Amino acid sequence: DIVMTQSPDSLAVSLGERATINCKSSQSVLYSSSKKNYLSWYQQKPGQPPKLLIYWASTRGSGVPDRFSGSGSGTDFTLTISSLQAEDVAVYYCQQYYSTPYTFGQGTKLEIK
Amino acid sequence: QVQLQESGPGLVKPSETLSLTCTVSGGSISSYYWSWIRQPPGKGLEWIGNIYYSGSTNYNPSLKSRVTISVDTSEKYFTLKLTSVTAADTAVYYCARSVGDTSGGLIGYWGQGTLVTVSS
Repeated sequence: DIVMTQSPDSLAVSLGERATINCKSSQSVLYSSSKKNYLSWYQQKPGQPPKLLIYWASTRGSGVPDRFSGSGSGTDFTLTISSLQAEDVAVYYCQQYYSTPYTFGQGTKLEIK
Repeated sequence: QVQLQESGPGLVKPSETLSLTCTVSGGSISSYYWSWIRQPPGKGLEWIGNIYYSGSTNYNPSLKSRVTISVDTSEKYFTLKLTSVTAADTAVYYCARSVGDTSGGLIGYWGQGTLVTVSS
């Protein structure tokens, strides 16, 4: 199984400031023939299902604000929220869909400082 | 807009079989992968397995001996059966759909989830 490790486990950021969450996979999730990284990011608010934010490591999902961005390749990835809004308080998960079993990071809880 | 709705018992006794159904509305069941994912209370997400609309399946090896996922394309639903449950299987169970058919693991749509508690 590919192990996904996120850092930090929790993060407190002031409104309007930048938030950065890291994700590392135990093996590369870059598919050489397509040059695509099989890495996604989800946002989960309390009592709700996860919502797809980013896929192919850097493509924003439908309706996702442009303050959310994803970067990285191979085994190291980052989710950045450029200017934190109150509604961004949530748990964020990275996930690899390169190979089964598809696996998630342990989650990063983002709060307002 | 596709909508997914889980249904099934909220309480299952230890050693019995957990059975859930996910009803699909507002979209086609064809040309997508249909997944089950679970989340124990206060914990992270675990992919259980998926089924392509044609019927081919993939399961998490950690659960493979106990899991069966099936699909009924005419009635637009798919099901999860998990046998010999224990308290460790207590979780919110989500059904979900892939974004397209490029990768079964890229999940674009989720049901609201249903809490299943394993207890006598």
